Amino acid sequence: DAKTTQPTSMDCAEGRAANLPCNHSTISGNEYVYWYRQIHSQGPQYIIHGLKNNETNEMASLIITEDRKSSTLILPHATLRDTAVYYCIVPMDSNYQLIWGAGTKLIIKP
Amino acid sequence: EAQVTQNPRYLITVTGKKLTVTCSQNMNHEYMSWYRQDPGLGLRQIYYSMNVEVTDKGDVPEGYKVSRKEKRNFPLILESPSPNQTSLYFCASSIQGPRGEQYFGPGTRLTVT
Repeated sequence: DAKTTQPTSMDCAEGRAANLPCNHSTISGNEYVYWYRQIHSQGPQYIIHGLKNNETNEMASLIITEDRKSSTLILPHATLRDTAVYYCIVPMDSNYQLIWGAGTKLIIKP
Repeated sequence: EAQVTQNPRYLITVTGKKLTVTCSQNMNHEYMSWYRQDPGLGLRQIYYSMNVEVTDKGDVPEGYKVSRKEKRNFPLILESPSPNQTSLYFCASSIQGPRGEQYFGPGTRLTVT
């Protein structure tokens, strides 16, 4: 089973920041948090990952709480093309393979 | 262009007819993996390969085989397909194993009747 909990769906207005929450309360000290997205039925696309510190790249920012039990993915200026399912993923302990949940369906509205 | 390719993209077949879905990457990645995705669900891992000649089972390996004879290719084999293997299949690769950024192929939509 996935080790993360995400809202099933969210809406965001175009041009606004989209904030996608994720709970991973059982995360252990050396596990990273990964975010991917999937547009329609295309192959998933890597967004960002982090361990403790906040991370930022050209696509998004990742804010991880100090206790590491939750995180938020931020798309700073959402566009219609950001409509997708967003997956927050924590690896399995045993072999570090990624376990995917159902994700959050983000709909960007004009 | 760096990419992961899969063939075929769409396939309709009948129960019991052996098939192979090919996956190839041109990024010299060590790690490759196969996933399946069913409606409304996230991806479930079928098999993965940390490097050439090394493969291991994922969460749902039953009914599937893989081989990794060379770095760039990782074919998925269904010896005797059944209707419950109707799904959308993705191949992925990464230079750093599952911890690194995984690049995904475009997907293969398989229907078994």
